[in-house]
Amino acid sequence: AQSVTQLGSHVSVSEGALVLLRCNYSSSVPPYLFWYVQYPNQGLQLLLKYTSAATLVKGINGFEAEFKKSETSFHLTKPSAHMSDAAEYFCAVGSDKVIFGPGTSLSVIP
Amino acid sequence: GAVVSQHPSWVICKSGTSVKIECRSLDFQATTMFWYRQFPKQSLMLMATSNEGSKATYEQGVEKDKFLINHASLTLSTLTVTSAHPEDSSFYICSANLGSSYNEQFFGPGTRLTVL
Repeated sequence: AQSVTQLGSHVSVSEGALVLLRCNYSSSVPPYLFWYVQYPNQGLQLLLKYTSAATLVKGINGFEAEFKKSETSFHLTKPSAHMSDAAEYFCAVGSDKVIFGPGTSLSVIP
Repeated sequence: GAVVSQHPSWVICKSGTSVKIECRSLDFQATTMFWYRQFPKQSLMLMATSNEGSKATYEQGVEKDKFLINHASLTLSTLTVTSAHPEDSSFYICSANLGSSYNEQFFGPGTRLTVL
């Protein structure tokens, strides 16, 4: 069985500050891992994905995530937050189907 | 490329009626599509996996007679909410699997269903 936990249902950062959204996974097989972003009343947009290649994955909009097998983690970071980054972020694990974490709401304070 | 559309984007219906939501892969063929529902401020919950030409696979706790899924072609899957009730009001999102060597799903924009 696969599962995902996201520590912190809500994270607030100041504009220009580091963004760190935490994700831990559980998987009995080598996982594929994803980060998605969702803006209000919209579908999901893929930020980045890990598929057993490089452990440091770079995505769109300046986001990146590092796969750490020993910690079963796939935390999402961005060096400098923008106001437009305010959204809901979902970590997901999957192979034949994707299981989503509970989500983290990111607020950016001007 | 890899665009998935949903229709309608929002729908309001009376309790007891049925509502059909379409999910289309616009520029690729998808042998597998997925249906999710999302309640306000919550995550996406997988409802079912829709396979072209065969019966859908439903997740535990999802009533297959209430949520009818048809995947008649490689570019279209439909979800019909039968005898809808207010508790079925939710955001329904579909995704289509590009079917490459690793899992890569593309999500539709979602359909907001409100049952009065």
